[in-house]
Amino acid sequence: GAVVSQHPSWVICKSGTSVKIECRSLDFQATTMFWYRQFPKQSLMLMATSNEGSKATYEQGVEKDKFLINHASLTLSTLTVTSAHPEDSSFYICSARWDGQETQYFGPGTRLLVL
Amino acid sequence: DAKTTQPTSMDCAEGRAANLPCNHSTISGNEYVYWYRQIHSQGPQYIIHGLKNNETNEMASLIITEDRKSSTLILPHATLRDTAVYYCIVLAGSGTYKYIFGTGTRLKVLA
Repeated sequence: GAVVSQHPSWVICKSGTSVKIECRSLDFQATTMFWYRQFPKQSLMLMATSNEGSKATYEQGVEKDKFLINHASLTLSTLTVTSAHPEDSSFYICSARWDGQETQYFGPGTRLLVL
Repeated sequence: DAKTTQPTSMDCAEGRAANLPCNHSTISGNEYVYWYRQIHSQGPQYIIHGLKNNETNEMASLIITEDRKSSTLILPHATLRDTAVYYCIVLAGSGTYKYIFGTGTRLKVLA
């Protein structure tokens, strides 16, 4: 149980284009989903927290207009990187938890390369 | 800032127990300690968590000191597939449900 998937697993795009990453909880209803970013040889950095049906809460220094997060249902959250630039190239990971549970379950990650 | 500190790296011989320490001296009385591991280019995998008492599951054991300021994750019989970065995590704050990742311990299991 507690499986989280992400799609796509990797994506290459041109600079200036937008990329959407999906995060799904497959066998539970996710009250909260989290989005992280990880650069090579570094730890995970929390970008934002999203609760179903409400606006995401972004961490300090994360541009909300650049990283659009939608959590429209209890099993799906999306992260859209708008007008992507090479410095946005990174490993993006989502996690999810359900109501009454602190433990987060992580997706396999999405590797983004912006050319 | 991370609320936990861990050694940067450790080596362990295959078949031996791997003991990974973590300091969390500012932990609050009702905060759990969580352990995850991340194998290269994958998402973190949940291992175990605990509050006060020692915990054991099919993957590992967690020993928490009586004052709760530190804990040790034990992999009883390490295999090459246990080579990964291990993260000890305490929530960012009560009621936030947010994890703040530290640098973790890079465990290398040697044949």
